[in-house]
Amino acid sequence: EVQLVQSGAEVKKPGESLKISCKGSGYSFTSYWIGWVRQMPGKGLEWMGIIYPGDSDTRYSPSFQGQVTISADKSISTAYLQWSSLKASDTAMYYCARRMNRAVAGTDLVWYFDLWGRGTLVTVSS
Amino acid sequence: DIQMTQSPSSLSASVGDRVTITCRASQSISSYLNWYQQKPGKAPKLLIYAASSLQSGVPSRFSGSGSGTDFTLTISSLQPEDFATYYCQQSYNSRGTFGQGTKLEIK
Repeated sequence: EVQLVQSGAEVKKPGESLKISCKGSGYSFTSYWIGWVRQMPGKGLEWMGIIYPGDSDTRYSPSFQGQVTISADKSISTAYLQWSSLKASDTAMYYCARRMNRAVAGTDLVWYFDLWGRGTLVTVSS
Repeated sequence: DIQMTQSPSSLSASVGDRVTITCRASQSISSYLNWYQQKPGKAPKLLIYAASSLQSGVPSRFSGSGSGTDFTLTISSLQPEDFATYYCQQSYNSRGTFGQGTKLEIK
């Protein structure tokens, strides 16, 4: 089965570090970008960044650059999102998603998130 | 960064209604526009990519149109399972910003 399986919910204190994971299976993990998306409680979706597990090429949203680190271990088909010092404002659901590239008539290559993990809820509270 | 603005932010409609949600980009993005549906407690689900291409398995009552800066998602005849929040996303560049969402509620 083609799927992304995310690690379980986390409860942390401000200032602690955290690394959450997203394991792909059923497809060639190194051939697709993996993105991370934040959803704060009751709010919308925010694109955080993406990584290409094949060579670990990584891009960040300016809003998240320097705040988080995205990495991947292609040997175990897993992408990661990590924080070195959590804040209460990091409390959110975090989704990973596979980025599919596709040729569509009339345009250059398009991309979209076609496969999503179930999300990891991160709660940061003292 | 490209800003995406959806309207309305919320919408009440009845089963069987035809509903249209609008998404506007802060600059031209050609047809690089995706639509997602999210139900409470669930991950988003892709509905439409490249502005008007229906994702496999998505009912044909969903359709997308537009190019440049203005896009629409139309549900031709609302079904009970369609009440959810809908997001547009630009894929013009690699930083795929989302719209703020449109919550579709039962009237």
